Amino acid sequence: GAGVSQSPSNKVTEKGKDVELRCDPISGHTALYWYRQSLGQGLEFLIYFQGNSAPDKSGLPSDRFSAERTGGSVSTLTIQRTQQEDSAVYLCASSFSGGAGDNEQFFGPGTRLTVL
Amino acid sequence: KQEVTQIPAALSVPEGENLVLNCSFTDSAIYNLQWFRQDPGKGLTSLLLIQSSQREQTSGRLNASLDKSSGRSTLYIAASQPGDSATYLCAVNDYKLSFGAGTTVTVRA
Repeated sequence: GAGVSQSPSNKVTEKGKDVELRCDPISGHTALYWYRQSLGQGLEFLIYFQGNSAPDKSGLPSDRFSAERTGGSVSTLTIQRTQQEDSAVYLCASSFSGGAGDNEQFFGPGTRLTVL
Repeated sequence: KQEVTQIPAALSVPEGENLVLNCSFTDSAIYNLQWFRQDPGKGLTSLLLIQSSQREQTSGRLNASLDKSSGRSTLYIAASQPGDSATYLCAVNDYKLSFGAGTTVTVRA
């Protein structure tokens, strides 16, 4: 597609349920990133994929969070046993490569997650 | 750990005034710096990217400067318009982005 797309745009869930958030990067972009934007923490990095590998998972806040990427394209962020503090907007970005130079990151519209 | 600070946190100006938004960062080992715009409830729109080897980048009424050695970038918006009202975020890139908290701009008609 023309840009980064994310689904769903909004997700309301009950505490303790699992959720899956999806990201479709720009075609041909090898690098994919997940970020989280919450009121108290601002915008923070979660995980970076280069192809299907995740060389940096350092931003994942707990082991309840996991992500995968398949076919060098679509990525899914999974949150298990959701907690109220997981409520935030989850943003996905992609870039042509993960190294220097062409590393302009383009963002999707985000998924707003609300945990009741 | 990279720390990014944006000053001021909020800014309100009458239409037509020039805007000056400041960004500072603690680690100069960056690949590039991006300025983004975010409208309420929306995602991030990339405005300008400055490579670490560049001093300045311009796009229309927008001009961004970068002084890597002092860890500073400034975004200038000339002749502001009400449509420029938004939150502006700077982000430094050492392969992942570290964001400032943003400057919320209101341009009064």
